[in-house]
Amino acid sequence: GAVVSQHPSRVICKSGTSVKIECRSLDFQATTMFWYRQFPKKSLMLMATSNEGSKATYEQGVEKDKFLINHASLTLSTLTVTSAHPEDSSFYICSAHNRRTSSYEQYFGPGTRLTVT
Amino acid sequence: AQTVTQSQPEMSVQEAETVTLSCTYDTSENNYYLFWYKQPPSRQMILVIRQEAYKQQNATENRFSVNFQKAAKSFSLKISDSQLGDTAMYFCAFMKIQGAQKLVFGQGTRLTINP
Repeated sequence: GAVVSQHPSRVICKSGTSVKIECRSLDFQATTMFWYRQFPKKSLMLMATSNEGSKATYEQGVEKDKFLINHASLTLSTLTVTSAHPEDSSFYICSAHNRRTSSYEQYFGPGTRLTVT
Repeated sequence: AQTVTQSQPEMSVQEAETVTLSCTYDTSENNYYLFWYKQPPSRQMILVIRQEAYKQQNATENRFSVNFQKAAKSFSLKISDSQLGDTAMYFCAFMKIQGAQKLVFGQGTRLTINP
């Protein structure tokens, strides 16, 4: 299957700082990327959907000014957690999808563990 | 809005046994996809099997098969000849065909295969 990478795999940051997480589709063009958050032993919660070249669509309850999403190219989307707080500590997962070639398949990245101290 | 329910938080079976994981969903859509994903301790999400709602035949992938009951909105996963490597969290997921094609996940079932 297609490969999606995330960087970094783990990050620790101090309260009040911002941290950027990258999601890359390595061998296909991702017209759409999705960002999820997963708490320990819980399911994946969709945060936002980003389409290449347009603004992200955020799910209800997700602060767009806190979780900035950019999808500037067909292979890269970034999630920036601004003014991070300890409650933002979580596991963040991205997935990528090409609507032009696949009717359903989403390819998941390996995830990024964020710890805010 | 669509919802997906997995009523078994945890399950445990012996190696080589067969195990069935339950999933029900609620939707007013007629065409959609259903998936089972596996998340091992590495936390990498892995697609196990998918089912198109317009297909009556149940999907099968080697030791994994589903029992899709559209009228009952039920989508269970059967794992035959279970192996130690099947130990993982299993998530049932729903996707509309039209629109944003977002995945809606169930709560997950933690499956442990014992030697």
